[in-house]
Amino acid sequence: DGGITQSPKYLFRKEGQNVTLSCEQNLNHDAMYWYRQDPGQGLRLIYYSQIVNDFQKGDIAEGYSVSREKKESFPLTVTSAQKNPTAFYLCASIQLTEAFFGQGTRLTVV
Amino acid sequence: AQKITQTQPGMFVQEKEAVTLDCTYDTSDPSYGLFWYKQPSSGEMIFLIYQGSYDQQNATEGRYSLNFQKARKSANLVISASQLGDSAMYFCAMREGLWNQGGKLIFGQGTELSVKP
Repeated sequence: DGGITQSPKYLFRKEGQNVTLSCEQNLNHDAMYWYRQDPGQGLRLIYYSQIVNDFQKGDIAEGYSVSREKKESFPLTVTSAQKNPTAFYLCASIQLTEAFFGQGTRLTVV
Repeated sequence: AQKITQTQPGMFVQEKEAVTLDCTYDTSDPSYGLFWYKQPSSGEMIFLIYQGSYDQQNATEGRYSLNFQKARKSANLVISASQLGDSAMYFCAMREGLWNQGGKLIFGQGTELSVKP
């Protein structure tokens, strides 16, 4: 089955730690996106990538980093510089008229 | 800059009735795509329907249709014959550019739909 897989589903981070969220797709889509969603809010764009080895900052990139070494993979690192990382993180991939999301990762700072 | 606006934070509809969720957008790019998603309480984002800026006809997918009024820059989602399972958050989104030249995919603030039995 083609789709987007995010892991882990739940993640707990201690203050000052970096954590990496995984996003893998087997849809052969070129473009991939990372979003943050806070309770009761819409989706805010963190980073996006149109092709391998290239990515652009979204509206709230501070405290986050990404890489795109393979077409299938677009991991997001939440660094210690992100002061309020507790949120729901969603990854998406797009090709033509298709835009699908993974199941999301809930990150909590403990 | 591109912008998406959903002005209805919450909506109620009676089961089996039709409901329209509003979405307006702003862009200077003549090429763009509009998407609607459903987000139930589980958090997953379910793709519902797509409309391209050059599409001549309004998009339809089962009980979902998109009322696309290009001159007014609106892309309202119509759900016919509402079901209890339609209760969820609904998001409108826009991506400037088409095919693989597209850029950001941005979202509105969402509308929470509640279907009453």
